[in-house]
Amino acid sequence: NAGVTQTPKFRILKIGQSMTLQCTQDMNHNYMYWYRQDPGMGLKLIYYSVGAGITDKGEVPNGYNVSRSTTEDFPLRLELAAPSQTSVYFCATQSTGNGNQPQHFGDGTRLSIL
Amino acid sequence: DAKTTQPTSMDCAEGRAANLPCNHSTISGNEYVYWYRQIHSQGPQYIIHGLKNNETNEMASLIITEDRKSSTLILPHATLRDTAVYYCIVRVKTGTASKLTFGTGTRLQVTL
Repeated sequence: NAGVTQTPKFRILKIGQSMTLQCTQDMNHNYMYWYRQDPGMGLKLIYYSVGAGITDKGEVPNGYNVSRSTTEDFPLRLELAAPSQTSVYFCATQSTGNGNQPQHFGDGTRLSIL
Repeated sequence: DAKTTQPTSMDCAEGRAANLPCNHSTISGNEYVYWYRQIHSQGPQYIIHGLKNNETNEMASLIITEDRKSSTLILPHATLRDTAVYYCIVRVKTGTASKLTFGTGTRLQVTL
């Protein structure tokens, strides 16, 4: 019963490098979200998707890109890593956009950029 | 966006009820109140949500005041494993989806 799976769990990048954070779900949920959490702070929405082929920006999209080619996968890409992107990244899913449906989170990817 | 206010921290003795308050005085009529918790280093865990009526599930109870301006999450018999940061969130719409706006939450420490 996997739910939401994020890989890798930890990563250290050098400034200017690029990488893709993976998120996959087996709940057949249409809605998927990427959040980041800085130390001692709440989560901030980066991007979200309401279904395959459809994505939109959240509060803090700069420096990131996403794609949604399948229902299961919603990768987050950092093109030119910067120290300000050091954070914990969480992926979440939701069955519909209905306010009565909870979001389900993965365990996160801890990213450090040096 | 409706904003929530929670105490920064609370303590609770193991086995006792933990009552976590939340103010959301600007909540709109169709916005749900959600509670999540985050145990150190893990992803946020859904606890419970409600609109107007009180709700109960296997984890907790949610009491919403009649004017909907505040709510209380009740963990009936707190254990050490309930030590976590608890977030009270009002669900807001972002385009076609619903965004969860996380504040800094209440750090609940359950002690022996």
